[in-house]
Amino acid sequence: QQQVRQSPQSLTVWEGETAILNCSYEDSTFNYFPWYQQFPGEGPALLISISSVSDKKEDGRFTIFFNKREKKLSLHITDSQPGDSATYFCAASASYGNEKITFGAGTKLTIKP
Amino acid sequence: EAAVTQSPRSKVAVTGGKVTLSCHQTNNHDYMYWYRQDTGHGLRLIHYSYVADSTEKGDIPDGYKASRPSQENFSLILELASLSQTAVYFCASSDLGGRSQNTLYFGAGTRLSVL
Repeated sequence: QQQVRQSPQSLTVWEGETAILNCSYEDSTFNYFPWYQQFPGEGPALLISISSVSDKKEDGRFTIFFNKREKKLSLHITDSQPGDSATYFCAASASYGNEKITFGAGTKLTIKP
Repeated sequence: EAAVTQSPRSKVAVTGGKVTLSCHQTNNHDYMYWYRQDTGHGLRLIHYSYVADSTEKGDIPDGYKASRPSQENFSLILELASLSQTAVYFCASSDLGGRSQNTLYFGAGTRLSVL
């Protein structure tokens, strides 16, 4: 049972466009949603995160939009750059334990110059 | 800077053989984790530890053992490696286990192929 779902599996956009990566979850106790970025041959690294008390979190060109009622969130990457090409993982956890972090299957993003 | 080092970076093992994956962190973190990455499944938690000499089962512990001899070191052991254990394995550490908004620091991964 996959509690965190991501779509699409892969996405290709042109340099300068906005890439939109989607994520949904099932467990209503989840209240923290980090996004991790992974480059080929490397381990994932935290990119940006949001808690359930907010509906939007911005960090430069990266923005998370969060809809608690629908249990959905999305990561928007504006002015996409070739260096943004990576796999992005949406994750979710509840307050009671970091060991309960659940990862989605990831979206592989390719930015074409 | 936070550092999690895994060894080896890649490994070829025979079915039924014993495999040990090692992880060393210099972050002074209490929590360490072993994840498995497979295409289409994201990252799945195998074992974790919040103190030396103690380990806990994650979501997919079957066929794996873990050992935490010190705060800095955490090993994943496959006593009888099987074909289905071919995957990329990631070690991670964190310092706020038990609370939300915790950041995981990952190593570069170990690519294991069981033949």
